[in-house]
Amino acid sequence: KNQVEQSPQSLIILEGKNCTLQCNYTVSPFSNLRWYKQDTGRGPVSLTIMTFSENTKSNGRYTATLDADTKQSSLHITASQLSDSASYICVVSDSWGKLQFGAGTQVVVTP
Amino acid sequence: DAMVIQNPRYQVTQFGKPVTLSCSQTLNHNVMYWYQQKSSQAPKLLFHYYDKDFNNEADTPDNFQSRRPNTSFCFLDIRSPGLGDAAMYLCATSRGSGFNLSGANVLTFGAGSRLTVL
Repeated sequence: KNQVEQSPQSLIILEGKNCTLQCNYTVSPFSNLRWYKQDTGRGPVSLTIMTFSENTKSNGRYTATLDADTKQSSLHITASQLSDSASYICVVSDSWGKLQFGAGTQVVVTP
Repeated sequence: DAMVIQNPRYQVTQFGKPVTLSCSQTLNHNVMYWYQQKSSQAPKLLFHYYDKDFNNEADTPDNFQSRRPNTSFCFLDIRSPGLGDAAMYLCATSRGSGFNLSGANVLTFGAGSRLTVL
């Protein structure tokens, strides 16, 4: 069973609208969680990284939250743009540096 | 700009014909990784180098080999590609592997090499 589960698998939103992606994990002992954006045909690019003590971290219109007690994270995209169309991947690291990848959420922003 | 560069970006090969993918980095990171990513799936780690130490994942097929002649370069060799090996191959680097260094294993990815097997 995958230790990092993302939802939804895909979503379509209108340009200018907000959306929230979810990431639930069972990785233990937890070290950090990061969100990557992967454009079609490209490698993933890091958006945010959060450690155990961090609850919220923003990068422009992207805001990530972390609840280490419930082992949940979310990525909120504000005022979506066409360039936000991509796959968003949640990656969790344990204390030994082993990374577990989620399968990603495919976001399509339409005009 | 410091970066991770993969070549070729697109590779078409015939069934069973060996392929080599290359990765170079200017970040001076000591860890380099090779991932395989199939459509709509999470990247799957094949192996990684911590400096010159090679670490193979247990389920990586023998068909996949890797070389790291120096800090900057790493190669992925697929000895006899099968149809199931068609995928995006991602190279990534990090400055550490995460031992007692929170965030040290943040990965910087290359743009990927898309392999098609005919």
